[in-house]
Amino acid sequence: QITLKESGPTLVEPTQTLMLTCTFSGFSLTTTKVGVGWIRQPPGKALEWLALIYWDNDKRYSPSLENRLTITKDTSRNQVVLIMANMDPVDTATYYCVHRRSVPVADTVFYFFDYWGQGAHVTVSS
Amino acid sequence: DIEMTQSPLSLAVTPGEPASLSCRSSQSLLHSNGYNYLDWFVQKPGQSPQLLIYLGSTRASGVPDRFSGSGSGTDFTLKISRVEAEDVGVYYCMQALYSSLITFGQGTRLEIK
Repeated sequence: QITLKESGPTLVEPTQTLMLTCTFSGFSLTTTKVGVGWIRQPPGKALEWLALIYWDNDKRYSPSLENRLTITKDTSRNQVVLIMANMDPVDTATYYCVHRRSVPVADTVFYFFDYWGQGAHVTVSS
Repeated sequence: DIEMTQSPLSLAVTPGEPASLSCRSSQSLLHSNGYNYLDWFVQKPGQSPQLLIYLGSTRASGVPDRFSGSGSGTDFTLKISRVEAEDVGVYYCMQALYSSLITFGQGTRLEIK
């Protein structure tokens, strides 16, 4: 059974740096073709993909936020950390940690987001 | 960025009736390998999103067969053959043609009449 849980501050002041931790179980980030991503959702708005990290430490970032984001993994603790610098009130959102699964089809490997955490609510305000 | 546009933005359906949700992308999601890199999710009230369909038409594990995905290139459809009360929520399409350019649509809210 795969589970993911986000943790971190609920309130951050503008210009501060946010650090969110995703603690997961039921899989390992040492297993090939596995990844963990972060997706956020401002109140009443749509989903926005932020970052991905794969078993081989390949990292991908949303181009619009790339200069503010850092994603890392700690395989011994089964954790993935997202750091977002220079927080602004528009960054107020629920931040989700998501498992990225691979499936082989013919000679290709496809990925999709299957298991989601419950989400961490983050408010940016002074 | 590849922009995803969903329509309608909201939809009210009588239980037992079908529903059709549309998703259009600003560029083709059909890869040279013949697969469309388009997924569908539903976010039920108060819950995290959950995967319904991946690669345009493959149902995720445990998803009822009343849900089906179709389309290719830039035009995709999610169909619910017979809507049930538990299907209430916001449905999102997502493209992942390029792993560094994942984008979601704005969502379609499904309500029950």
